[in-house]
Amino acid sequence: NAGVTQTPKFRILKIGQSMTLQCTQDMNHNYMYWYRQDPGMGLKLIYYSVGAGITDKGEVPNGYNVSRSTTEDFPLRLELAAPSQTSVYFCASSSRDRAGAEAFFGQGTRLTVV
Amino acid sequence: DAKTTQPTSMDCAEGRAANLPCNHSTISGNEYVYWYRQIHSQGPQYIIHGLKNNETNEMASLIITEDRKSSTLILPHATLRDTAVYYCIVRPSNAGNNRKLIWGLGTSLGVNP
Repeated sequence: NAGVTQTPKFRILKIGQSMTLQCTQDMNHNYMYWYRQDPGMGLKLIYYSVGAGITDKGEVPNGYNVSRSTTEDFPLRLELAAPSQTSVYFCASSSRDRAGAEAFFGQGTRLTVV
Repeated sequence: DAKTTQPTSMDCAEGRAANLPCNHSTISGNEYVYWYRQIHSQGPQYIIHGLKNNETNEMASLIITEDRKSSTLILPHATLRDTAVYYCIVRPSNAGNNRKLIWGLGTSLGVNP
């Protein structure tokens, strides 16, 4: 059981380039989330999804896009990379049928924009 | 949404109990208290959660005060591998089916040999 898998683990982008951070989970969870974590800070929610075909903005969505065509996958797209997007990105998932369900996190993607 | 207050850092001797406090004085009646930890450069890991009653699992115990305005996470026998940042999070009231977690800065726990 792999849980939540993120790729790539590391990436360096030039300003203005675009890329997609991949996230997949094998737990059949309906809820999925993208967070970013800047150095020495807590996690901030970028986007989340409550099921296939449904996404919504979190606290810091500007500069990002997401899609959720399947239950398993929740990719995060950066269209025009900026230095302010240098961060560690975490994907997470959780079930919806238990009150207080825990979130499972991937190991993160460390992105540097230069 | 209820916010939490945690000490910035704490130290604990290996083999001793680590007691991590959290204040959540504005918590509402249907909000859960969650604890996660993040070992350096890794994704956060769920530890435990509770609503009103004290909870215990294989990792830790959670003690919630009767008025629910504060809680304590207890690691009964801390090891060096418990060195991490510990986050106390109050799950906000549902708006539809949202399950968003609001993260603060956490407590950096150092376990010393």
